Amino acid sequence: QVQLVESGGGVVHPGGSLTLSCAASGFTFGYYAMHWVRQAPGKGLEWVAFMRFDGSDRKYADSVKGRFTISRDNSKNTLYLQLSGLRVEDTAVYYCAKDRHWHFDVWGRGTPVTVSS
Amino acid sequence: AIQLTQSPSSLSASVGDRVTIFCRASQDIRSELAWYQQKPGMAPNLLISDASTLEGGVPSRFSGSGSGTDFSLTISSLQPEDFATYYCQQFDNFPLTFGGGTKVEIK
Repeated sequence: QVQLVESGGGVVHPGGSLTLSCAASGFTFGYYAMHWVRQAPGKGLEWVAFMRFDGSDRKYADSVKGRFTISRDNSKNTLYLQLSGLRVEDTAVYYCAKDRHWHFDVWGRGTPVTVSS
Repeated sequence: AIQLTQSPSSLSASVGDRVTIFCRASQDIRSELAWYQQKPGMAPNLLISDASTLEGGVPSRFSGSGSGTDFSLTISSLQPEDFATYYCQQFDNFPLTFGGGTKVEIK
């Protein structure tokens, strides 16, 4: 079955860095664009980043531009999100999601990131 | 960025009630709108795409309508498993944006 499994979340100090991974299975990963979406505790959903199926285009939310980097390795069926310059307000559950024309038809369970001193 | 305003932010309803949730976009987004359901501790689940196209496996009591700036999600007869938070999302252009959510609670 189609599945996305995130990993790499944890607790980090402000200004720190972290790399999240999303392992895909059950579909031809290299054919699909992918996204990261996050949800702060008790809050709504916020789209974070997009990468085209072949890596030729990336887009970011203004709130993370210049600090986060989305990447992918189609040979490993894996999506990544490098987080740097982390701020307290980046605390959230981070979901990866499979693209269907810029909306999200499959979601992972998420990985939590806590930024705290 | 396109802003999506959902209303109400929460509602209380009984099993069997008809429930409608609204989503208004700050500019014309044609029919580029999706609806998601999220239960506590779980990832969101896509219910409706293109404003009114029901996803496979989603019960027919869910329906979506609207185009341009005004959209709605209707649950024709609320069931116990429908108590959740619902989000709209526009995919007309980047940055992709979500509404603030509507929490449907048991009366």
